Amino acid sequence: AQRVTQPEKLLSVFKGAPVELKCNYSYSGSPELFWYVQYSRQRLQLLLRHISRESIKGFTADLNKGETSFHLKKPFAQEEDSAMYYCASKYGQNFVFGPGTRLSVLP
Amino acid sequence: DGGITQSPKYLFRKEGQNVTLSCEQNLNHDAMYWYRQDPGQGLRLIYYSQIVNDFQKGDIAEGYSVSREKKESFPLTVTSAQKNPTAFYLCASSMQLSGANVLTFGAGSRLTVL
Repeated sequence: AQRVTQPEKLLSVFKGAPVELKCNYSYSGSPELFWYVQYSRQRLQLLLRHISRESIKGFTADLNKGETSFHLKKPFAQEEDSAMYYCASKYGQNFVFGPGTRLSVLP
Repeated sequence: DGGITQSPKYLFRKEGQNVTLSCEQNLNHDAMYWYRQDPGQGLRLIYYSQIVNDFQKGDIAEGYSVSREKKESFPLTVTSAQKNPTAFYLCASSMQLSGANVLTFGAGSRLTVL
């Protein structure tokens, strides 16, 4: 079965510090990978997708097929980045989500 | 205002009762999904539908049923056979975007079994 793992349930960093949210996937083919974010009292929404290789809100994520990872990074965290982050992989017509990491950016 | 509408937002049910959660989308998306969100477990797929009158079981379909009679609607019924139904339920739909499917989510429905 496809799996997405996010080893940290909670990650706390200070404002201005770099942040990295880890994500590993198990998939032997060519995966489609995503990061979704859920801010307080808001809907779960797409943050970025590996296929577009874009930077959203200062976040980037690089697909490393050798390590089967898709870690989310931001060089300088902001308080408004505090949210729940989910890594997801698409295989076939299904999306598999990791358990999520709650990021808390402290002032 | 385009999007996905889930109702009700909060629902209470007595044990042994079936309950149906509504999901409507006006995005003209073909695919629709139901996920269950539990703390520490992320989102788990219950059912999905790629096209009208067709749907497939996800990882945790036992105790749930769905229908897809219209493209816009994908209701989920939580039956009395579901052993632990208290949870937050999310409906989503997907479109093709730059070669990658992207999920759009509803606001969710929180079901509590008393």
